[in-house]
Amino acid sequence: SALTQPASVSGSPGQSITISCTGTSNDVGGYNSVSWYQQNPGKAPKLMIYDVSVRPSGVSNRFSGSKSGSTASLTISGLQAEDEADYYCSSYTTSTTWVFGGGTKLTVL
Amino acid sequence: QVQLQESGPGLVKPSETLSLTCSVSGGSVSSGSYYWSWIRQPPGKGLEWIGCIYYTGSTNYNPSLKSRVTTSVDTPKNQFSLKLNSVTAADTAVYYCAADRRPSGIYFLGYWGQGLLVTVSS
Repeated sequence: SALTQPASVSGSPGQSITISCTGTSNDVGGYNSVSWYQQNPGKAPKLMIYDVSVRPSGVSNRFSGSKSGSTASLTISGLQAEDEADYYCSSYTTSTTWVFGGGTKLTVL
Repeated sequence: QVQLQESGPGLVKPSETLSLTCSVSGGSVSSGSYYWSWIRQPPGKGLEWIGCIYYTGSTNYNPSLKSRVTTSVDTPKNQFSLKLNSVTAADTAVYYCAADRRPSGIYFLGYWGQGLLVTVSS
């Protein structure tokens, strides 16, 4: 079943926010293959973090990832208006499938 | 750099079969370097992984859709395809094709098409 994310988070410019992503030992807890995607309206998801904490080339270092047990987290520091988007976590699973979180809408106040 | 592009009808009637194709450029569907996936997103909702196929024809599907899904690879055309049968309005979604490089030990969906909206309606 889908990974669990908060439906929404918000923060003011310059602040930091954290989005959690909770799974099980069959996905998040079993692999270091957690990735995070940013999605703007009408656009395809954009990879922001992979392998729990690795940033692809071109992604701001304000984005960071971590994991503890079966819960992964995405932290965005120095929040900017352009960060307002939907964010999805994803994990590889022991069934050799992919699973996504339900998505979190980030609002920059 | 692999690039993906979905194509197919934007409107499908209820009970019929949804058929989509993903064209691959910058790489080969038969290279063995990638697994090829389909993902969908109903309007206003989250992402749902549908299934994937390897160039050998090996497949893996989301258990919730497995009974209705078929995927295939067309090596000469450098494409892979999705068929979803017995569709209902609940299958209305933007459908994405995507790829990962797990044969190289790289476990994330790093390549995505732009997405194609498919509406199920009579």
